[in-house]
Amino acid sequence: DTGVSQDPRHKITKRGQNVTFRCDPISEHNRLYWYRQTLGQGPEFLTYFQNEAQLEKSRLLSDRFSAERPKGSFSTLEIQRTEQGDSAMYLCASSPGGTGNTIYFGEGSWLTVV
Amino acid sequence: AQSVTQLDSQVPVFEEAPVELRCNYSSSVSVYLFWYVQYPNQGLQLLLKYLSGSTLVKGINGFEAEFNKSQTSFHLRKPSVHISDTAEYFCAVVYRGGSEKLVFGKGTKLTVNP
Repeated sequence: DTGVSQDPRHKITKRGQNVTFRCDPISEHNRLYWYRQTLGQGPEFLTYFQNEAQLEKSRLLSDRFSAERPKGSFSTLEIQRTEQGDSAMYLCASSPGGTGNTIYFGEGSWLTVV
Repeated sequence: AQSVTQLDSQVPVFEEAPVELRCNYSSSVSVYLFWYVQYPNQGLQLLLKYLSGSTLVKGINGFEAEFNKSQTSFHLRKPSVHISDTAEYFCAVVYRGGSEKLVFGKGTKLTVNP
């Protein structure tokens, strides 16, 4: 068990550029979540997958954001035409599914939009 | 609306003193309750969780929490803190019957001073 892995850990980009984050969940975890965390705030839910199906999206996930989990394993979160307000830490998490199972978090990907 | 309130944004204490971090949640349905800890520049680590049964839950690092359904609270306690407990602590709720996503509070920064 290597834990939830996220890449890159840090990304600095210019406003208007596109960025993509990758998340590798714990092996055989069928649920995968994306959260966003800004300084001084708790993580906010963005979206979640059950295997390859995206089952819920937050209103925070504007049309500039897209997430995929093509084969039910790793996931990507893409932000198009980045804005300064997108600067945050993007956290990926996974769980084996089922009622009350622990959700395990990765170390996060820091995004700074300049 | 589903929400979690952490009443104290910052809690300073001296080493070996007891500490209580407060958490209240809004609920008209059954919930699961969690406390996570976040060290600087890291992801979130589960401290403990309440699913059912005994209302007093023990977790890692000597922490415990008590579920109080009538007061919709889940306060975290430790009888004697160490310098190494300095971190951000997040209370989170899963509303049963939904997507099983975590809804987080804004966090409490615990600072343990020598």
